Amino acid sequence: DTGVSQNPRHKITKRGQNVTFRCDPISEHNRLYWYRQTLGQGPEFLTYFQNEAQLEKSRLLSDRFSAERPKGSFSTLEIQRTEQGDSAMYLCASSFVERGNEQFFGPGTRLTVL
Amino acid sequence: RKEVEQDPGPFNVPEGATVAFNCTYSNSASQSFFWYRQDCRKEPKLLMSVYSSGNEDGRFTAQLNRASQYISLLIRDSKLSDSATYLCVVTPSGTYKYIFGTGTRLKVLA
Repeated sequence: DTGVSQNPRHKITKRGQNVTFRCDPISEHNRLYWYRQTLGQGPEFLTYFQNEAQLEKSRLLSDRFSAERPKGSFSTLEIQRTEQGDSAMYLCASSFVERGNEQFFGPGTRLTVL
Repeated sequence: RKEVEQDPGPFNVPEGATVAFNCTYSNSASQSFFWYRQDCRKEPKLLMSVYSSGNEDGRFTAQLNRASQYISLLIRDSKLSDSATYLCVVTPSGTYKYIFGTGTRLKVLA
């Protein structure tokens, strides 16, 4: 399967714990995006990378959230001191600069904060 | 006002019907436009890009009206398998991030 992959698929944690999610984009894709989706809403943009450079971050991304893409391949999204309001589906997408802005999404990581 | 607005529905239509969804956007400098389909508890999947000249893919037709700042999706001869949420997506000028609408739910009934 050469699509976008995300791990873990589900994460249940207690309030105050730290969690980290991983995204592996489609191999030749140089842009990588993170979004968050809650029930009944469309996905909301969090941040994106072009290669290893983080080019934009949403105001939604508080200082408890950090994302990295150290070698321009996979990316991690860490949430520190989780809160119940962080419960959501975290979606990763990737795109190839040379082929416009069509983004392809991974299956998501569903986070539940108890 | 939301940047991208859609009627959340649900739209309940019989098999074989034609159904149309509209989506409005507030940023007149927006540069690219898409429709995505999302099944329950799954990731969004690209349905089609939307161009000013309009584009068609089988039973699906998408149109962009820049003057009125809306995009539309028309589905002809609806199938049960078309039941899903349809997400309108806009990319503002100067960025590559997506701005999504809330989605329109479609249920095609037998």
